[in-house]
Amino acid sequence: AQSVSQHNHHVILSEAASLELGCNYSYGGTVNLFWYVQYPGQHLQLLLKYFSGDPLVKGIKGFEAEFIKSKFSFNLRKPSVQWSDTAEYFCAVRDSGAGSYQLTFGKGTKLSVIP
Amino acid sequence: NAGVMQNPRHLVRRRGQEARLRCSPMKGHSHVYWYRQLPEEGLKFMVYLQKENIIDESGMPKERFSAEFPKEGPSILRIQQVVRGDSAAYFCASSPAGGRGNEQFFGPGTRLTVL
Repeated sequence: AQSVSQHNHHVILSEAASLELGCNYSYGGTVNLFWYVQYPGQHLQLLLKYFSGDPLVKGIKGFEAEFIKSKFSFNLRKPSVQWSDTAEYFCAVRDSGAGSYQLTFGKGTKLSVIP
Repeated sequence: NAGVMQNPRHLVRRRGQEARLRCSPMKGHSHVYWYRQLPEEGLKFMVYLQKENIIDESGMPKERFSAEFPKEGPSILRIQQVVRGDSAAYFCASSPAGGRGNEQFFGPGTRLTVL
C-alpha cells in the first residue's frame, strides 16, 4: 500500500522568504507524484506533477519540485513566497501503471505568509 | 468553463439522518472520483464511477455509504444514518477518461458536520 508523509503541519513565513515543503512516500513500485494547492474557500488545483524524465519539475506560479528516487522524496520549493501563496498544500502519489487512478494524499501543510 | 461543482458546500446533519452530497463533473468528463478527508488526515480515495457504473468502491465503508452516477444528472454520495465519525470534507474529482494520463480536476468539497 502507498503512503505519503508531509513533515510540516503548519508553516509560517514572511513575504520574500524561501519555501521548502517536505514530502516522502512509501511504495515498492514506480510512481507518479503530484503537488496540489487549495486556496481558502477554493477547490484543489494541480501545481505540478512528475511522471518521468527530468526529476526537477517546474509548475505554475513559480513553484518547482525535485524527485529524489533514492530518498523517496518529492519536496516542493519556491524561492520567494508572496502573501497570495497562503494556502494548504497536498502531496500525492499514484502507481504509474497505465490503468491507475487512485491518488494517495499526505495530510497537507498549511502555509501562512505574513505581509 | 465551469469546473467541478459540488453542493452543498456545507451540510449539517444530526445523528441518524441521511446526507446527500452532489457532484457535477466538468463538461465533457464522464469519470468521477470521491475522496474523504477526515480531520487532520489526507484525502482518502472512496469510489470511482463512470456513467451508470461503479468501477471501484474499494475505499467505501461497507455500510451506510453508497454512490451513484446516473446517465443524467450529478453524481451522488449518500450516507445513511450518519454518525459523528462521518464528519469530514468530501471531495469529488472528475476526468475525461480513466487511467494514468488523465488529470483529476477537483471540486471545492462539501464539509459535513454531524451533530
